[in-house]
Amino acid sequence: GAVVSQHPSWVICKSGTSVKIECRSLDFQATTMFWYRQFPKQSLMLMATSNEGSKATYEQGVEKDKFLINHASLTLSTLTVTSAHPEDSSFYICSARRDSSPYEQYFGPGTRLTVT
Amino acid sequence: GQNIDQPTEMTATEGAIVQINCTYQTSGFNGLFWYQQHAGEAPTFLSYNVLDGLEEKGRFSSFLSRSKGYSYLLLKELQMKDSASYLCAVRVSGSARQLTFGSGTQLTVLP
Repeated sequence: GAVVSQHPSWVICKSGTSVKIECRSLDFQATTMFWYRQFPKQSLMLMATSNEGSKATYEQGVEKDKFLINHASLTLSTLTVTSAHPEDSSFYICSARRDSSPYEQYFGPGTRLTVT
Repeated sequence: GQNIDQPTEMTATEGAIVQINCTYQTSGFNGLFWYQQHAGEAPTFLSYNVLDGLEEKGRFSSFLSRSKGYSYLLLKELQMKDSASYLCAVRVSGSARQLTFGSGTQLTVLP
């Protein structure tokens, strides 16, 4: 149990376009999901906390108008990178929190975004 | 805020034991996690400590001292497949209970 999926696993887009990444908890409900970004050879940096039915909470320095987060159901959160630029190329990872588990966060497999 | 330090790189030999240290400074400490991450993949959970002491899980053990803000991950009987990045992460109190990750320790296991 506690499987989290992400789609797509990789995507290449042109500069100026928008890309949507989906994060789904497949076998549990997740009131809270987290979005991370990881640049090569660096650790995971928390971008935002996504809460079902309410606005996301963004970390300092993360532009909420550029990284749109929607958590419309207990099993799905989406991250949309708007007007993507090459510097947005990164590995985006989501995690979902199940309140009943002491370990809480289950990570998705990640999405590799390349902006050309 | 939180500050988490761990060595950038370590090298060890197959069959040996290696200890990866992590020190942290945080407010509202609510647990420390260790994750393993292979290149291009998501982190996978290894261990969780919330109380002082040692947690053993097969070849992996993790230790926590809350008073010292210190943890270590001990890997025994190293195998080549253990070559990966090991991430120390601290959870803070609060409704979101977010994880803050250290920069990761890249472990290379040599034959």
